[in-house]
Amino acid sequence: DAMVIQNPRYQVTQFGKPVTLSCSQTLNHNVMYWYQQKSSQAPKLLFHYYDKDFNNEADTPDNFQSRRPNTSFCFLDIRSPGLGDAAMYLCATSRDLGRTYEQYFGPGTRLTVT
Amino acid sequence: GNSVTQMEGPVTLSEEAFLTINCTYTATGYPSLFWYVQYPGEGLQLLLKATKADDKGSNKGFEATYRKETTSFHLEKGSVQVSDSAVYFCALRNQGGKLIFGQGTELSVKP
Repeated sequence: DAMVIQNPRYQVTQFGKPVTLSCSQTLNHNVMYWYQQKSSQAPKLLFHYYDKDFNNEADTPDNFQSRRPNTSFCFLDIRSPGLGDAAMYLCATSRDLGRTYEQYFGPGTRLTVT
Repeated sequence: GNSVTQMEGPVTLSEEAFLTINCTYTATGYPSLFWYVQYPGEGLQLLLKATKADDKGSNKGFEATYRKETTSFHLEKGSVQVSDSAVYFCALRNQGGKLIFGQGTELSVKP
């Protein structure tokens, strides 16, 4: 039944050590999003893919990259994690970009940086 | 620009109390409006939505009406349960697809 799956649910990495977070979907949606959510805050959009078309938010640091090898999978790469990158990372999907389409969220990956 | 403002939390209620969480928005055009709920340690779940003025979204006893004249989308529930304790996010989406969130309102329901 799971529609948006994120692995792992908890990830611990060391300062400066590259880390990859994974998201997959069974909805066959065109759009996949990555959000960063820090404690007691709203999710902050990092970037999204519309099919293979990558769209970066203007204030997303270069340290964050993404890959979408196929419709079902999308990855978030953090090249050199800093202590400030510790957060919950949420993946979401949407059938399309129109205003009426809701976004479906995964359960999130909690990233700890030591 | 587009923005969403929610009432500040935390909101603490006793079980079976009436709930209102205020949400107002500023937007160009005609956005769709959403309420998402986030339980501790989990992702966001869509609670309800409305896509045009005067639409009422409802789900699991929660409801909200899209009021264009007051630019509001207040969340209500007649009788809250302990299991409703969570953070609630109001959001809007315009053409182009970006979801704009309010700051979230934490609800705590005591037995």
